Formats: sequence, structure tokens, C-alpha cells
Amino acid sequence: AIRMTQSPSSFSASTGDRVTITCRASQGISSYLAWYQQKPGKAPKLLIYAASTLQSGVPSRFSGSGSGTDFTLTISCLQSEDFATYYCQQYYSYPPLTFGGGTKVEIK
Amino acid sequence: QLQLQESGPGLVKPSETLSLTCTVSGGSISSSSYYWGWIRQPPGKGLEWIGSIYYSGSTYYNPSLKSRVTISVDTSKNQFSLKLSSVTAADTAVYYCARHPQRNAAFDIWGQGTMVTVSS
Repeated sequence: AIRMTQSPSSFSASTGDRVTITCRASQGISSYLAWYQQKPGKAPKLLIYAASTLQSGVPSRFSGSGSGTDFTLTISCLQSEDFATYYCQQYYSYPPLTFGGGTKVEIK
Repeated sequence: QLQLQESGPGLVKPSETLSLTCTVSGGSISSSSYYWGWIRQPPGKGLEWIGSIYYSGSTYYNPSLKSRVTISVDTSKNQFSLKLSSVTAADTAVYYCARHPQRNAAFDIWGQGTMVTVSS
């Protein structure tokens, strides 16, 4: 199984900050990577697929990049509603489809 | 607008079988090439994919759970179901159903999730 490792596991940031979350795959996955946002008590929400394609309705302050083994999710100007936990997921090699351990973005 | 809704017992005894159903509304489970999956999340932890099914009944499972998992589909009811046998406390989690556009794709629509506790 491909292991997905996210870093950091959590961090604090302020509204207006530019933040970057990293996801590394244990082997190459081309661009078969998705990013999700999850708020407490809610289901994950798809933000980005194919490493850099924004899901319909997702604000343009979210962007994704990378291919192969190293990927990033960037929020250009953090808003109050962006404080949440973010997960990456690979869908290149399956089964199993695998998720990263999550990155919690907290208010500084 | 397509919606998914999980249903089933919130409490299951150890060694018994967990059974959940996901009802799809606002669209047909048989449409296009969509796959339908189950994902779980233990309290305070990350996401784990359990398995997925195509409307034809073709399935694929997480190898770590494969021996205990059965996913089935009922197109007449627009539902798909999860059965997880021989449960232990480690199976306590929020269980989500979700749609993915292809066999290997991101999950684009999710149910709200249902909490299942394994306890005597």
C-alpha cells in the first residue's frame, strides 16, 4: 500500500496568512492526488483533485501543486472559515485508496 | 442535487456484524460510471477507505479489512450497504458513504456520516 505522509500534523496561523501543507507519497503517484477539508463533526469536502484541479465551488484562494511523490496545498489568504483539518488522498494505486494522516490548521 | 445518507445501528456488540446502508437521493445509483464507497474515521483519527462498489456489483476492498467486509448494492432501492463482521472496539468510528466518479478517483460527494460504537 502507498503510504501518504502529511506535514506538519498541526500548526497555528492567523487570518490573512499564506499557508502551505505538504503531502508526500511513499512511491510515485503521478498526479493522482486529492485534497479534502474537514471541519469538526462534518464530512470531508473535496477541494482539489488531480493534484491541482479545483473542485467546482471551491474558492480560488486554494491551490494545489506537485506530481510524483511531493505535493502541496496552499491557501493564499487564510479566512476564518478555513480553520479545519486537511487530508490528502492518493488514487493511483489501489486497493487500497489511502489518505494522509491529516493537518490541523488552528487559529493563532 | 445528489445526496447520500447513511443509516444503521449506532451500537454493535463485539464479535457481531456491523450493518449500514447508504441511500442515494437526487440521482440514480446506476447512472454513468460512478463508484460508491465506504470510508471510516475512528474518533480523533484519520480516514480509512473500506471498499467500493459499482452499480453492477463489482467490488474492491481494502486488503486490511477484506476478510471481514462485504459491500452490496440494491439498484431498485437506490442503496448500497456495508457489512463488517467480527467487530471489535477498534471498529468504533464514524462511517461515511461517498461517491467517486471512477474506480480510481477522488470522493466528490459524501454522506454526513454515522457514528458506530462497538461495545457490550
